[in-house]
Amino acid sequence: EIVMTQSPATLSVSPGERATVSCRASQSVSSNLAWYQQKPGQAPRLLIYGASTRATDIPARFSGSGSGTEFTLTISSLQSEDFAVYYCQQYNNWPPHTFGQGTKLEIK
Amino acid sequence: QMQLQESGPGLVKPSGTLSLTCAVSGSSISSTSWWSWVRQPPGKGLEWIGQIYQSGITSYNPSLKSRVTISVDKSKNQFSLKLTSMTAADTAVYYCARWGVTTQFDSWGQGTLVTVSS
Repeated sequence: EIVMTQSPATLSVSPGERATVSCRASQSVSSNLAWYQQKPGQAPRLLIYGASTRATDIPARFSGSGSGTEFTLTISSLQSEDFAVYYCQQYNNWPPHTFGQGTKLEIK
Repeated sequence: QMQLQESGPGLVKPSGTLSLTCAVSGSSISSTSWWSWVRQPPGKGLEWIGQIYQSGITSYNPSLKSRVTISVDKSKNQFSLKLTSMTAADTAVYYCARWGVTTQFDSWGQGTLVTVSS
């Protein structure tokens, strides 16, 4: 099973600033990496797949990069609605699909 | 627009069996997608349980495989989850979701909280 490790666990950023979340895989997952956003009481929402392709209706301020074992989600200018928990997920070797433990993005 | 809706009991007794159904609307369950179950214990992260293709092919998380059965009912456009030998560790919000080879988990149900307690 591929283990996904996210850092940091919590990120405090001011609105309008840039936020960067990292995700590391225990072995190469090529570009088979997705990112999700989850707000309290809601289901996860797909943001990025293929490491860098934005899903339908996702704003351009969200971007993904990386390949192999190191990945990054960047939010270029934080809006109030972006404060949430973010998860990475690999789909290179499944079963099982595996998720990172999550990064909470909070208002500074 | 596709929608998924979970239904089932919110309370299961220890050692009992969980049965959940996910009704799909706005899309045919016979499309080229996999239909998945993901769970999230309170305050914790996401765990993939398993998924089924419209043909009936299934794939399960090895950690749960001995207890899980996922099935599909094309006539009702829905799919189901059974999880046996429930313990307190299985208390979680259970989500159904569509999984695409390219687009991943791109549509989700709202989730249903299942508590294991006597």
